Amino acid sequence: AQSVTQLGSHVSVSEGALVLLRCNYSSSVPPYLFWYVQYPNQGLQLLLKYTTGATLVKGINGFEAEFKKSETSFHLTKPSAHMSDAAEYFCAVSEGDDKIIFGKGTRLHILP
Amino acid sequence: GAVVSQHPSRVICKSGTSVKIECRSLDFQATTMFWYRQFPKQSLMLMATSNEGSKATYEQGVEKDKFLINHASLTLSTLTVTSAHPEDSSFYICSAREIPAEQYFGPGTRLTVT
Repeated sequence: AQSVTQLGSHVSVSEGALVLLRCNYSSSVPPYLFWYVQYPNQGLQLLLKYTTGATLVKGINGFEAEFKKSETSFHLTKPSAHMSDAAEYFCAVSEGDDKIIFGKGTRLHILP
Repeated sequence: GAVVSQHPSRVICKSGTSVKIECRSLDFQATTMFWYRQFPKQSLMLMATSNEGSKATYEQGVEKDKFLINHASLTLSTLTVTSAHPEDSSFYICSAREIPAEQYFGPGTRLTVT
């Protein structure tokens, strides 16, 4: 069965600093991996996804993630944090079918 | 493209009544839609998968008689919470699939049962 573990329910970084949100997955087949962002009382917005091909995936708002099969990881990074990045971030995995399994989420706080 | 809407965005209802939430794909046809529930400060939990023209598939532990799902057209799925109770208060989010493994999420509906 597929699963997702997000390390750290809360992460705080200073404005301008590197953002690193960690995600490890478990899947019995080559996975599809996603990062979503959720602002308060809103739905989910897709930041980026990995399906096949290049393991470094670039997304919106300057975010990127790297699929590392050997480490079963898909960490999300952004070189320089902005105040508007403060939100909840969800890592998710799918085995190519319709079912998407979400991690528990990481709340990103940006310190001025 | 790939916009999903939900209506209403917020609803307050009295205990024992039923409430219907609509999920629409605005610019594409969605043969499959999904309903999720999100408790405060928690992740999304898949409730059911809705396929156009057929019965919904519910996840384990979700009461199908309480959460009625109808997917009558390729652009509309509805979730009806029947005989709502305060513990049903939650944030309900739908998503629609345009292509395999790509879901687009609606903005969510905040349900409060008093």
